[in-house]
Amino acid sequence: NAGVTQTPKFQVLKTGQSMTLQCAQDMNHEYMSWYRQDPGMGLRLIHYSVGAGITDQGEVPNGYNVSRSTTEDFPLRLLSAAPSQTSVYFCASRKQGRVHEQYFGPGTRLTVT
Amino acid sequence: GENVEQHPSTLSVQEGDSAVIKCTYSDSASNYFPWYKQELGKGPQLIIDIRSNVGEKKDQRIAVTLNKTAKHFSLHITETQPEDSAVYFCAAGYTGTASKLTFGTGTRLQVTL
Repeated sequence: NAGVTQTPKFQVLKTGQSMTLQCAQDMNHEYMSWYRQDPGMGLRLIHYSVGAGITDQGEVPNGYNVSRSTTEDFPLRLLSAAPSQTSVYFCASRKQGRVHEQYFGPGTRLTVT
Repeated sequence: GENVEQHPSTLSVQEGDSAVIKCTYSDSASNYFPWYKQELGKGPQLIIDIRSNVGEKKDQRIAVTLNKTAKHFSLHITETQPEDSAVYFCAAGYTGTASKLTFGTGTRLQVTL
């Protein structure tokens, strides 16, 4: 198993540009989520999905869109990047109801200038 | 919603000494309290967790204690080693289908020789 994979590892965007952060898992996990990590603020939940076709907002969803067309993939879209979205983004996955077996990807470091 | 506070933000100890990181939470319904270790350039990894029906749990050199009445829990690392140097996050949440975690702000632990 590759676990949770994320691409790209690093990305620099200009304000107003759009991009998609990719996340994939090969563990047949129903639950997938996106977090952002900022200095002094820990990990904050952006969006999550409990299965294909189902997504919901987390704590800080503004400026981000998600979709879940397959069990394996959970892309995060920035429609119009802003400097406030400069952060490290982590994708995570787990089996439904098994919060104690959550696996994180290696992260994507995004800089918006 | 849940609010998790974590202290200290940085901690420096000498190799062989003990390290203690403390967290408080606000939602009395939370019943699951994991600790994650994040090494440089990697995603967080679960190192130990505790549920609300247990007061203490130990795994080799690491232990976690929980005081439900006071709503605080702590991570204890004994006989620290250089490889323990990392950022540690506490989290609080509840188990179940719709389970989510709220993370603390992180503690950067530096173990010096």
